[in-house]
Amino acid sequence: QKEVEQNSGPLSVPEGAIASLNCTYSDRGSQSFFWYRQYSGKSPELIMSIYSNGDKEDGRFTAQLNKASQYVSLLIRDSQPSDSATYLCAVNIRPMNRDDKIIFGKGTRLHILP
Amino acid sequence: DGGITQSPKYLFRKEGQNVTLSCEQNLNHDAMYWYRQDPGQGLRLIYYSQIVNDFQKGDIAEGYSVSREKKESFPLTVTSAQKNPTAFYLCASKGFGNTRIDHYNEQFFGPGTRLTVL
Repeated sequence: QKEVEQNSGPLSVPEGAIASLNCTYSDRGSQSFFWYRQYSGKSPELIMSIYSNGDKEDGRFTAQLNKASQYVSLLIRDSQPSDSATYLCAVNIRPMNRDDKIIFGKGTRLHILP
Repeated sequence: DGGITQSPKYLFRKEGQNVTLSCEQNLNHDAMYWYRQDPGQGLRLIYYSQIVNDFQKGDIAEGYSVSREKKESFPLTVTSAQKNPTAFYLCASKGFGNTRIDHYNEQFFGPGTRLTVL
């Protein structure tokens, strides 16, 4: 069973600080990695994609990937109350295959303290 | 305006009834997926389809059925055999590859259908 593990939280971070969200995955063959944000009662929204080792930055968000350690992280700089949500880590296993699917972690609840 | 639409937004079902949830996408994506999300829980995969007229069971397919007669559409039927169908149902789609290498294999979600059994 391929797995994606996240700490469920809640993770409380003061406004303006850096929020750090972590994720580990079990399938060494995974090639594509994603972070989604889900507000309460809404559907998940894709916020970051990362495919190679290292950092990828987009505005206040930075995704970090370490395939050797099977570890993905998301940093949110200058955290805002609007960042309060559940963040889902997702991993694409067997891409371009009949069994192509994305496996999701259960999510980390992030709470930004005003 | 490209995207994924799901209807209805809210659905109420009496016990013993079959109901069908609609999912349509105009993103020209090949793959489509159905997930179920229960309160405070993660996403669980029900069914998925990579091409027209072909689909695979996910982790919790019992009590559900799907069809994929058109690339744009992937309806989900919740049958009376599904013992606890009250949940938030999410449809998603994904293209194979992308002209932009930094957006390869991205999957997008529709707004969801909230199903309640009365």
